[in-house]
Amino acid sequence: SAVISQKPSRDICQRGTSLTIQCQVDSQVTMMFWYRQQPGQSLTLIATANQGSEATYESGFVIDKFPISRPNLTFSTLTVSNMSPEDSSIYLCSVGEGYGYTFGSGTRLTVV
Amino acid sequence: KQEVTQIPAALSVPEGENLVLNCSFTDSAIYNLQWFRQDPGKGLTSLLLIQSSQREQTSGRLNASLDKSSGRSTLYIAASQPGDSATYLCAVRRSGANNLFFGTGTRLTVIP
Repeated sequence: SAVISQKPSRDICQRGTSLTIQCQVDSQVTMMFWYRQQPGQSLTLIATANQGSEATYESGFVIDKFPISRPNLTFSTLTVSNMSPEDSSIYLCSVGEGYGYTFGSGTRLTVV
Repeated sequence: KQEVTQIPAALSVPEGENLVLNCSFTDSAIYNLQWFRQDPGKGLTSLLLIQSSQREQTSGRLNASLDKSSGRSTLYIAASQPGDSATYLCAVRRSGANNLFFGTGTRLTVIP
């Protein structure tokens, strides 16, 4: 299965600032996703990162708040913009391959 | 919309005990179902993937079953060990969709 490198692994940020999370895959993949896991909650899909076109966002998530880039089939970034304490979560990158899904190790974000 | 529920939310067992985790989903039109393990503050590790046409999958001490018509899956862990302590997540991929719908998770503690 694909190996995903996600960074940073954790960060503490000031409110009002932005953080960009990187996801690097060791092979070309078509499907790449970004999820959020709020404290004590399960995972919620933020968006599907599409190579060469704009990301597809789920209800409740907007591009201005969570801009996503996907310049090629092995790399994507998620930016959390104008952060507030409510954005404190674990953010996870995921790729779909074959029949199953593989996840990165996650980015634990704390906004103070 | 697909809703995924896991029962119990938390489970504590003595080492060596066999246990069953439950997952139910509302829409039986699924493509596959995947069980993951998540250690505190970490990403997800895939345990087992069951295709919609399959009834069960086994890996070592783990066995997952799927009853699509009733919207249920179970994860059976044999001879539990303290290292099995983690949160176990069930995720469903709907037919015609690319993303996963996650359950709320079962937090397992195996007491030495």
